[in-house]
Amino acid sequence: QKEVEQNSGPLSVPEGAIASLNCTYSDRGSQSFFWYRQYSGKSPELIMFIYSNGDKEDGRFTAQLNKASQYVSLLIRDSQPSDSATYLCVMDSSYKLIFGSGTRLLVRP
Amino acid sequence: ETGVTQSPTHLIKTRGQQVTLRCSSQSGHNTVSWYQQALGQGPQFIFQYYREEENGRGNFPPRFSGLQFPNYSSELNVNALELDDSALYLCASSGDTGELFFGEGSRLTVL
Repeated sequence: QKEVEQNSGPLSVPEGAIASLNCTYSDRGSQSFFWYRQYSGKSPELIMFIYSNGDKEDGRFTAQLNKASQYVSLLIRDSQPSDSATYLCVMDSSYKLIFGSGTRLLVRP
Repeated sequence: ETGVTQSPTHLIKTRGQQVTLRCSSQSGHNTVSWYQQALGQGPQFIFQYYREEENGRGNFPPRFSGLQFPNYSSELNVNALELDDSALYLCASSGDTGELFFGEGSRLTVL
């Protein structure tokens, strides 16, 4: 079982819609989770981090964490074509980050 | 622009050869981590250095080794290259906040 599981996609949504990206993780002891965005041929960049159960909002982005279900999600409101990228769900495991394999998001104009 | 620079950006090697990849950390960052990202996969943790000492290692064989220098720049060395070593190698530096800042990576192709 992979430590961080994501659907590879692609997830295709029309411009202006809400994109919902999900992941599950295996380590119940993990406390911190991150979402990174990676454009093709580029390095990952941090979008959001979340430590507590519930929702965390930052602009068009909302991260959700449910530790009981070991589930993390990222909602992108008013999706734009520039949001088209691979989104990596990441779990903090002491000194290292454990990345999922990413979900590819396509936002259709 | 993260302030983390890596070199070279692209390189091609043959099986059995050795390679050295370099990373210059963001100013003030004393921790550097290296990740390997194969095509279509998420980055995999190789190791981390803090103040010139390795303080964490992922599931990579000993032919993957590293160094961190007093100015906090870093090297990743891979000996006896194999075809499966073909990947994007990412360096990330971090400071007191723990947030990782990634460089643009070195893309290695092993033929």
